[in-house]
Amino acid sequence: GNSVTQMEGPVTLSEEAFLTINCTYTATGYPSLFWYVQYPGEGLQLLLKATKADDKGSNKGFEATYRKETTSFHLEKGSVQVSDSAVYFCALVRNDNNDMRFGAGTRLTVKP
Amino acid sequence: KAGVTQTPRYLIKTRGQQVTLSCSPISGHRSVSWYQQTPGQGLQFLFEYFSETQRNKGNFPGRFSGRQFSNSRSEMNVSTLELGDSALYLCASKPSAENNEQFFGPGTRLTVL
Repeated sequence: GNSVTQMEGPVTLSEEAFLTINCTYTATGYPSLFWYVQYPGEGLQLLLKATKADDKGSNKGFEATYRKETTSFHLEKGSVQVSDSAVYFCALVRNDNNDMRFGAGTRLTVKP
Repeated sequence: KAGVTQTPRYLIKTRGQQVTLSCSPISGHRSVSWYQQTPGQGLQFLFEYFSETQRNKGNFPGRFSGRQFSNSRSEMNVSTLELGDSALYLCASKPSAENNEQFFGPGTRLTVL
C-alpha cells in the first residue's frame, strides 16, 4: 500500500543552520507529494507541494524536489529561524483516489 | 476568506459516552475529510465526504461515523467512547473531490476519561 517514511526527530538546530528532513515514499500509481507544518496548538498548514517527478516545491525558504528514482521528497532550508520550530509532516496522495497518507512527523526545535 | 473552523476546540467526555464534532469548510469547498491525530499512531484518515456522500473511508470501527450537509458543513460522531479515542481530530476541506490540496482546521482536542 501507499506509505510515507520520514526521519525520526526530534531535530534540534541552532539559528541559521542548514535543515534537511528526509522523506521517502512507497506508492503505486503517480502520487502528489506534500510537506505540511504544524505549530503548537494549531492544525496543519500546507508548506509546499509537488505533483510530478522533478518538480520542486518551495515556500518561505523551504524547498523539496520530487525524486521518482529515489522515491524521495526531502525538505531543506538553508538557514532556519527560531520561528521555524514546529512539527513537519511529509504526505502523499494518489491522484486517482484522494487517499492521503502522512509520515509520522518530525519535530524541529531551533535555538537562538 | 475564512479558514476551516471546528467546534468545539476542546472536549472532555467519559468512557461510554458519545460525541459529535463539527466542521465548517472554507466557503465554496465541497469536500471535507476527517483525520485522527495521536502521539502513537500519528495522523490517520477517517473519512471523506463530498456533496453529502461518503467517498472514502479509513480503517476505523463503525463507532466512528460522519455526515455532510447540503451547505458542506460536516459532523463526525463517535459512539461508546473508549480511552483510546482521546486525540486531536482534524478536519480538512478542498474545493472539489479531484483537487488534492487540503486546508486544515485547528482541530478538536477530545479527552476521554
